[in-house]
Parts: sequence; C-alpha cells; structure tokens
Amino acid sequence: EVQLVESGGGLFQPGRSLRLSCAASGFTVSSNYMGWVRQAPGKGLVWVSVIYVDRMTSYVDSVKGRFTISRDNSKNTVYLQIDDLRVEDTALYYCARGRPNFGDYDLWGQGTLVTVSS
Amino acid sequence: ENVLTQSPGTLSLSPGERATLSCRTSQSITYNALAWYQQKPGQPPRVLIYGTSRRATGVPDRFSGSGSGTDFTLTISRLEPEDFAVYYCQQYHTTTRYTFGQGTKLEI
Repeated sequence: EVQLVESGGGLFQPGRSLRLSCAASGFTVSSNYMGWVRQAPGKGLVWVSVIYVDRMTSYVDSVKGRFTISRDNSKNTVYLQIDDLRVEDTALYYCARGRPNFGDYDLWGQGTLVTVSS
Repeated sequence: ENVLTQSPGTLSLSPGERATLSCRTSQSITYNALAWYQQKPGQPPRVLIYGTSRRATGVPDRFSGSGSGTDFTLTISRLEPEDFAVYYCQQYHTTTRYTFGQGTKLEI
C-alpha cells in the first residue's frame, strides 16, 4: 500500500528540539520531492519545507535556521528536525509527496501533532 | 513571497447548486503550478486539481479548475453533500517555493 506515516509528535517545552519522521511505503522517497506542511489548531495550511531528489532543500522564511529536513534512503524515511521550539510551532505536521513536473502534493500522511507549552 | 488570496472566505450554498471559488496570486505562475485541495475535519488535505485544470485520480468530474497568470478558479458544478469542506489553493514558484491560500469554507 502506498502511504506515509508520520511520528515523533508530542508535548514539548519551549527551547527543546525534536525530530519528526515520515516513513513511506509503496514508493521510494528518494525518487520524489517530499515536503512538510503544518496546520495550527483551527487554522489553515502552511508549507514548511521540501527536499528534492538531488537533496536540495528549501524552507519557509519563518522557520529558516531552526528547521532541517533530511532523508534516509535506506529507511525510506524523511525527517524534520525542529530546534529551539516555540509556542507558535504548535501544529499538526503533515508529510506529503510531491508530484513530478507539477507543484502539488499528491499523497499525504495523517499528520503528527506537536504541542509546545511550558 | 507569492501571496495567495482566496475568496470568498465562506460560501454558503445548497446541494445541487454550483460553487465558484477564486484564488488570486500576487505573482504570476505557470499553468502547471496551481493546485486545489479539499480538507474535511480530522482528515489530511486531498488534492483535487493540479496543473490548474487536471483532475487528480478518483476526483469526480463535477470538479473543474481554470485560470492563468494570477487568477484561478475552482468550480463544483452540482454540489453533493460530501463536498461541504474547506478548500485551499496552492502554488509553486521557482523562487518563492510553495504557498497555500487561507482557505474557503464551503458550508450548507
């Protein structure tokens, strides 16, 4: 079955770090561009980061310097490292697969919830 | 940043009616860089339209997309009860990367 499963969310204190994982099955993450999108409670979708086939990465300006996206081909998994957590990072984090030659994301996971609170 | 502005914020219609959702981008984008998603409560987004007008696999033909440059439209020809949800447009631009609109809530 083709799917994405995120994990690593939970309750964290401000200033701490965490790593979210996105395990893919049914396809190869290294052959696709993969992204992270977050959604704060009751709010809209915000694109966060992308990693391309050539491992080039990009981030939304608001997270540059704190977020790092990476990929482990042997585990067919994409990661999002978040450092110096802030209350405003509280959100449901979705992993998504990009569609080649187009700019959309055609496969999404169910998301993992990150709550940042003291 | 390429800002996407969706209108209206909320659209109140009845089953059987036609829905027209608008998405305006602050910078012109190419035809293959505009998508529409549907999101229902407790679910991840689902892509409906990509490349401005291409229906994703399994999407009913009552959904259609159109537009160019900075103005794009999602049309639902005859609303079904399951179509009431939040809809987002999303763009890709080589320099500004990916951006979502703020969403249009389609309610009964």
